[in-house]
This record gives sequence, structure tokens and C-alpha cells, in this order.
Amino acid sequence: GEDVEQSLFLSVREGDSSVINCTYTDSSSTYLYWYKQEPGAGLQLLTYIFSNMDMKQDQRLTVLLNKKDKHLSLRIADTQTGDSAIYFCAETADSWGKLQFGAGTQVVVTP
Amino acid sequence: DVKVTQSSRYLVKRTGEKVFLECVQDMDHENMFWYRQDPGLGLRLIYFSYDVKMKEKGDIPEGYSVSREKKERFSLILESASTNQTSMYLCASSPGVDPNSPLHFGNGTRLTVT
Repeated sequence: GEDVEQSLFLSVREGDSSVINCTYTDSSSTYLYWYKQEPGAGLQLLTYIFSNMDMKQDQRLTVLLNKKDKHLSLRIADTQTGDSAIYFCAETADSWGKLQFGAGTQVVVTP
Repeated sequence: DVKVTQSSRYLVKRTGEKVFLECVQDMDHENMFWYRQDPGLGLRLIYFSYDVKMKEKGDIPEGYSVSREKKERFSLILESASTNQTSMYLCASSPGVDPNSPLHFGNGTRLTVT
């Protein structure tokens, strides 16, 4: 089946930029998503990018997509303690909302 | 705002028990999903449904079944709970065929099978 891979842990100082990386294998992926999970909560959508785009910016978030290398990244500028969470990369090749998720990257922001 | 409500935050059940996990959404979404979340494995799809009384197997359906008698409700059933089904279970919903529309998740049910 399709695989989505992420590193499991990232530590970053408050005020620095965080970069979370993700690779996927399904070349027919049409949409790629970043979800955030705070402790004790479900997942909330942060942002998404359509596969014909290279970059998308939304306030402090920048998504970069390298479709040739099947590499997706999420950059968080000026990282705050409230950004501490698990971040999931996900992709879909269908229109039903059936997403394939990565294992999640635990981001810890230190003062 | 879309609300996806899972009836229990925490459940403790014994091996062999039949377990029902309930999920209700209030936005008239066609699609509903059950995932389980385990550390280091991320979210894995158990079952999904794109209409009332319809169900499709996900990646790990073994040991589970589902029921969707009404559009707003999607139930996950563990016919005979086992310890390897101890996990966080997440329900999600999405509207029809628009890939722009993200999954909306409930807060999860942490199930422990002893």
C-alpha cells in the first residue's frame, strides 16, 4: 500500500523556525495535508496543498511540495510554545476523504 | 463549526467483551471514518462509510465491524475485544466528493482491554 513517512521527533527553541518533513510514495496523490494534534484532542486541519502547487503560505505556515521527489514540508515561523503538538502529514488520491497518514512528528518547543 | 462527538473519552473493557464505540456528527456529512492511532504507527483506517447502510473496509478491518443505520451516526464494534485492540480510536467525517473539504475529527476514545 501507500506509505507516508515522517521523522518522529523535533525539538525547537521558542522563536526559531520549525521544519517538519514528510515523504510519500503514491504518485497519484492529489491533495496533501498537515494536521495538528494537541494533547487529549483529535486532529485539526492546519493547511493543505494541491499537487499542482509548489508552495502555499498561510500566516506563519509555509508548505513546500517537491512532487518529483515526493517530499512535503511544513515550516512554522516564530515557533511558540502553543505549537507543541504532534503534526501529521497525510495524502489522498481519491475524493472521498480517505486519507493515508504518516506516523506523526512530535514537536517540542523549549523556552 | 462541524462537531464530531465520540460518546466516551475513556473505556476499560475485559478480553472477550463486545464493545461499541459511538460517533455522531452534526453537519449532514456523507462520509464517516474510524481510525485507530498507535504511537509510531500514526493513524490507520479501520472502516469507512460513504452513505447510510454502506461500509467499506479500510487497511485494518480484522476484529472490527461497523454500523451506519443513520447518516449522522457511525458505530465501531469490537465483537470480542482483545488486548491488541487497546488503542486510541478516532472518528472523523467529511462532506461528499470535494477533496478540499478536510476530515473533521472527534476527540477520540482511549480504549484499554485488560
